[in-house]
Amino acid sequence: AQSVTQPDIHITVSEGASLELRCNYSYGATPYLFWYVQSPGQGLQLLLKYFSGDTLVQGIKGFEAEFKRSQSSFNLRKPSVHWSDAAEYFCAVGARGSQGNLIFGKGTKLSVKP
Amino acid sequence: GAGVSQSPSNKVTEKGKDVELRCDPISGHTALYWYRQSLGQGLEFLIYFQGNSAPDKSGLPSDRFSAERTGGSVSTLTIQRTQQEDSAVYLCASSKLKIGTSYEQYFGPGTRLTVT
Repeated sequence: AQSVTQPDIHITVSEGASLELRCNYSYGATPYLFWYVQSPGQGLQLLLKYFSGDTLVQGIKGFEAEFKRSQSSFNLRKPSVHWSDAAEYFCAVGARGSQGNLIFGKGTKLSVKP
Repeated sequence: GAGVSQSPSNKVTEKGKDVELRCDPISGHTALYWYRQSLGQGLEFLIYFQGNSAPDKSGLPSDRFSAERTGGSVSTLTIQRTQQEDSAVYLCASSKLKIGTSYEQYFGPGTRLTVT
């Protein structure tokens, strides 16, 4: 069955430090891959997506993610975290060639220390 | 342009009552999705509408849940005889069909449902 695993439930980093949020997926083929961010009381905002081509994708707010087929991973990174990045981050996969539903991980909550 | 809107933003209901949650997708988006987000959980897919095709109801947790989409636009999610375990944030998303290319889903702010 298709699944997405985000191993870290909660991560705390200091402002200015680098960040890496992990995402592993189980899927029959290479899926579409997404990272969404959810601020408290808000809906989900798309940070970035991977469909094909360059395995390092750039997103909004200075985030990037790297697709590693051999590891079935799509980890999210940011070189220098800002206090406003505190939020919950969700990794998701979608079926290639389909407009069907996404499968989400359970999310990683990011806290930022001053 | 306007994003996905949902109403109400919050709903408190008594156990056993029926509730209706509304979603207005982005104009021109042919696909509409409902997800449920329970405390400490990720997003759980409920139902998916695509144009005039029969909806994909595979994620609905019980027959107390139903949804419709009128005129290919507005959608209503109905929960009958609500139970406490139905308490969650219900999120709606829409996407635009792009033949042969990728798609992305745009989410509304959600409706927080509390069943007392």
